[in-house]
Amino acid sequence: DAGITQSPRYKITETGRQVTLMCHQTWSHSYMFWYRQDLGHGLRLIYYSAAADITDKGEVPDGYVVSRSKTENFPLTLESATRSQTSVYFCASSHPPDRVYGYTFGSGTRLTVV
Amino acid sequence: AQTVTQSQPEMSVQEAETVTLSCTYDTSESNYYLFWYKQPPSRQMILVIRQEAYKQQNATENRFSVNFQKAAKSFSLKISDSQLGDTAMYFCAFMSYNQGGKLIFGQGTELSVKP
Repeated sequence: DAGITQSPRYKITETGRQVTLMCHQTWSHSYMFWYRQDLGHGLRLIYYSAAADITDKGEVPDGYVVSRSKTENFPLTLESATRSQTSVYFCASSHPPDRVYGYTFGSGTRLTVV
Repeated sequence: AQTVTQSQPEMSVQEAETVTLSCTYDTSESNYYLFWYKQPPSRQMILVIRQEAYKQQNATENRFSVNFQKAAKSFSLKISDSQLGDTAMYFCAFMSYNQGGKLIFGQGTELSVKP
């Protein structure tokens, strides 16, 4: 099915471990985004990408790494997970001319770091 | 830098009544979009309504309407005839024409519709 999919939906990991959250979209949208959602903060931008091989930092990039070798995939890696990275992570995509419609979001990944 | 503020962390309304969620934003730009997203317990982010800043007419989508006050930088959401299915977290969001399509979100308002 067409759309934007995130995996896994739930993840528990230990402090210090590396973990990668996956995001895949089938619309060939050029723009992709990673947000984290925390109570009292809404959604905050971690990283975004305007096209394959083009990425840039958002508001809260520390502790995260992204890559985008293919247009459809935008994985987010926590190199050494910390408890403060316990959150719900959303991936989103958009096509620039469709800015008026905002984003299309994935279903989110709930990450718990213990 | 742009900011979006939702000053009501929680609200409740009786079924069939009307409720208004507040949102203010800060920007020096004149061309931008504003959005309201709904997030039910399923966690899915659902676009409720959008407003283009150059349009003076307030956007309406069925039971949802906005009160857009550009000079006051205010963008409130009115839900009429509230239904139990409207129970959700609601986020106000801002997108500049010139910031690479980045959405900036408010803190969210958790709305409970009571029977």
